[in-house]
Amino acid sequence: GAGVSQTPSNKVTEKGKYVELRCDPISGHTALYWYRQSLGQGPEFLIYFQGTGAADDSGLPNDRFFAVRPEGSVSTLKIQRTERGDSAVYLCASSLRGASDTQYFGPGTRLTVL
Amino acid sequence: GENVEQHPSTLSVQEGDSAVIKCTYSDSASNYFPWYKQELGKGPQLIIDIRSNVGEKKDQRIAVTLNKTAKHFSLHITETQPEDSAVYFCAAPGGTSYGKLTFGQGTILTVHP
Repeated sequence: GAGVSQTPSNKVTEKGKYVELRCDPISGHTALYWYRQSLGQGPEFLIYFQGTGAADDSGLPNDRFFAVRPEGSVSTLKIQRTERGDSAVYLCASSLRGASDTQYFGPGTRLTVL
Repeated sequence: GENVEQHPSTLSVQEGDSAVIKCTYSDSASNYFPWYKQELGKGPQLIIDIRSNVGEKKDQRIAVTLNKTAKHFSLHITETQPEDSAVYFCAAPGGTSYGKLTFGQGTILTVHP
């Protein structure tokens, strides 16, 4: 079946601009996760949704970052006033029932802030 | 929070040899330990995981061992093949919540034909 999909695959923006990154989880998966991966590093947790609500947003670096999942399926990660340090690959993952299940990752969105 | 250390950072082996990657974790309440393989330009792919009620798990050429007393777990790949070349990550959750995985720094495995 279809895996986790993310769009766009690449996003180039200028410093100070607003960006939205989209994640489509595996159909039927109730939990959704966002991670950020810098070059040469492991993924770093940002936020985790169970259904429509954010169960853990402790990884969001500051208030410029926000994520939503209004209908419990697709999620959007929003970054305001982008900075060069926000450049990274943003990964989305989903799991079937919740935090106790295996997380399946999408291909990621590579964000470059010029 | 959880802290995961992974070694070595790079590993080079000849085809057919075995490869071992080791990780340590800090939170004694952690009870789920996945291993992911990441190829260039792709997202991490789960290759094997282990839960704290067992000490070892095998899946064909891949095995994972867990020592909860010492708080470390290892990935073992036998009869390595060139297609095993990739970056491997271990991970552990914060406490008993699997939602927030903390990843190791990664190991670049190169298998020479």
